[in-house]
Amino acid sequence: DAGVIQSPRHEVTEMGQEVTLRCKPISGHDYLFWYRQTMMRGLELLIYFNNNVPIDDSGMPEDRFSAKMPNASFSTLKIQPSEPRDSAVYFCASSSRGVSNQPQHFGDGTRLSIL
Amino acid sequence: AQKITQTQPGMFVQEKEAVTLDCTYDTSDPSYGLFWYKQPSSGEMIFLIYQGSYDQQNATEGRYSLNFQKARKSANLVISASQLGDSAMYFCAMREALTGGGNKLTFGTGTQLKVEL
Repeated sequence: DAGVIQSPRHEVTEMGQEVTLRCKPISGHDYLFWYRQTMMRGLELLIYFNNNVPIDDSGMPEDRFSAKMPNASFSTLKIQPSEPRDSAVYFCASSSRGVSNQPQHFGDGTRLSIL
Repeated sequence: AQKITQTQPGMFVQEKEAVTLDCTYDTSDPSYGLFWYKQPSSGEMIFLIYQGSYDQQNATEGRYSLNFQKARKSANLVISASQLGDSAMYFCAMREALTGGGNKLTFGTGTQLKVEL
């Protein structure tokens, strides 16, 4: 079975540019999560969706960040305009509902560098 | 609020030896669960093992086991017979149950494990 698929794997862009990160969750999963990982702050939950609906975006750092899930198989995280402090690894994860031991399955991440 | 603490930023272990990675937690929720993930240098996050607060026995998955001490609020990961491929960052995470199923995770800061010959 295909896992969570993220694209691109690496992104290098200049400050001020728009950045779009993409995620395809595991088919049948109800939840989708976006995380950011940095050395200083570790793994932070940015936003999560349940059945394509954003439930909690309290982790989104600023209005420059936005996330959408137009259908069950696709989500985007957009940063506009990007800043050097946005440089990080961004992970998408998905999980199914049901029993409490359901793990979140992570994609390979997008390593973002803002110059 | 939930809190996860991993006090060992780095650990070394010799190949074929066992190693324990510490994780302590704090929560007021009587029903909770703890996950361990492995992050190798390639960057992906790999689920290893889960322990629920009401589970009667400590969780085991192959060479991984959890030393779960509820009264001490600790859920330490034990890796037996360490292999070079075990060198990675290890994260402990606590779940918060979401309405309608699913889990929201709070992660610790991680422990970098290095397995040596």
